[in-house]
Amino acid sequence: KAGVTQTPRYLIKTRGQQVTLSCSPISGHRSVSWYQQTPGQGLQFLFEYFSETQRNKGNFPGRFSGRQFSNSRSEMNVSTLELGDSALYLCASSLLGTMNTEAFFGQGTRLTVV
Amino acid sequence: QQQVKQSPQSLIVQKGGISIINCAYENTAFDYFPWYQQFPGKGPALLIAIRPDVSEKKEGRFTISFNKSAKQFSLHIMDSQPGDSATYFCAARGGSEKLVFGKGTKLTVNP
Repeated sequence: KAGVTQTPRYLIKTRGQQVTLSCSPISGHRSVSWYQQTPGQGLQFLFEYFSETQRNKGNFPGRFSGRQFSNSRSEMNVSTLELGDSALYLCASSLLGTMNTEAFFGQGTRLTVV
Repeated sequence: QQQVKQSPQSLIVQKGGISIINCAYENTAFDYFPWYQQFPGKGPALLIAIRPDVSEKKEGRFTISFNKSAKQFSLHIMDSQPGDSATYFCAARGGSEKLVFGKGTKLTVNP
């Protein structure tokens, strides 16, 4: 069974630009969660989607947004990029949500803001 | 406020030694405690997990010890190997809480 697919793997953007990252969950999984990973802060929760609805949101500014499509694929968008947004963005797929089912991670998208 | 506190931040162990990583939590609603292993360039992968109704769970060289009264749990890697060199994250979930992670421990096992 195919794993979690995140695209692109690497991105370089300029301050002020916006970026869209994509995540395709494991087939049959209805929940997608997004995390930001940085060396100093570890894995920080961004948001979780279940059946196209945002179910949880972390403490990130409104520049970070996401959505989930009817096929469970998810995208996250970061607008007006800042240098501090440079990080590994991880997507986790789970059957019903990380509150009660296992989370499987993709390899991440490495975003560098210059 | 960090819900799961992990220590140490980094750990260097000789091949064959025991690696021990500790985590502590505050939320008594947590009822599931997984550990994830992450290699460079990869996403975290579930390694082993425990529920609070048992005090220990062993899978091969990896053991989780759980102390409910102290609200602490730890990962022990016996006979550590260079291939175990990775970053390890403890996590917790329960009640209405989503999965939350510790900040990670970078383990280096020297040959």
